[in-house]
Amino acid sequence: DGGITQSPKYLFRKEGQNVTLSCEQNLNHDAMYWYRQDPGQGLRLIYYSQIVNDFQKGDIAEGYSVSREKKESFPLTVTSAQKNPTAFYLCASSITWGRYEQYFGPGTRLTVT
Amino acid sequence: QQQVKQSPQSLIVQKGGISIINCAYENTAFDYFPWYQQFPGKGPALLIAIRPDVSEKKEGRFTISFNKSAKQFSLHIMDSQPGDSATYFCAACRTNDYKLSFGAGTTVTVRA
Repeated sequence: DGGITQSPKYLFRKEGQNVTLSCEQNLNHDAMYWYRQDPGQGLRLIYYSQIVNDFQKGDIAEGYSVSREKKESFPLTVTSAQKNPTAFYLCASSITWGRYEQYFGPGTRLTVT
Repeated sequence: QQQVKQSPQSLIVQKGGISIINCAYENTAFDYFPWYQQFPGKGPALLIAIRPDVSEKKEGRFTISFNKSAKQFSLHIMDSQPGDSATYFCAACRTNDYKLSFGAGTTVTVRA
């Protein structure tokens, strides 16, 4: 059964702590993406990776970091520098960079207090 | 600023009615316009997409209408069903960029 998995579904952290969100795909897709979703604002691109060992900043990368050491994995770290980290985080992938269709995971809801 | 403006923010329709969601864009370089459907607590799923060389595309009860000169496109859900209750996002993308710009979303509630 192919797809994108994100874990955990819910995550709670204290302010000032870094936290890493997991994203794994078994679709053999080259490109992967991280989005942040806030109520009434749609999805905003945090980081994207066209291919393994490569990644680029999206529109709202400040306070976030990523790595892409394996094709199937694209973890996102929310650092203490992110001023407003509480949000719903979505990971997506596409077959290659240059293919428009993106497939989304189920998301992780992060709450920082 | 948001590159794709979506309206309305929410709508309620009776079962069997038509739901209409509108989106507008400014960047004439956009050449791919998908719609995503999202159920609560889930990730968005691609519903239907259109390119600007086509004025209308239909898949089942879902139709995209595209007006290139007005830089607007819309999603029509015909014969709306309670199972269509979800949040719908329009988006736009351009060749050589491939990053989706999303609208703010429309929450559709279909009353039985």
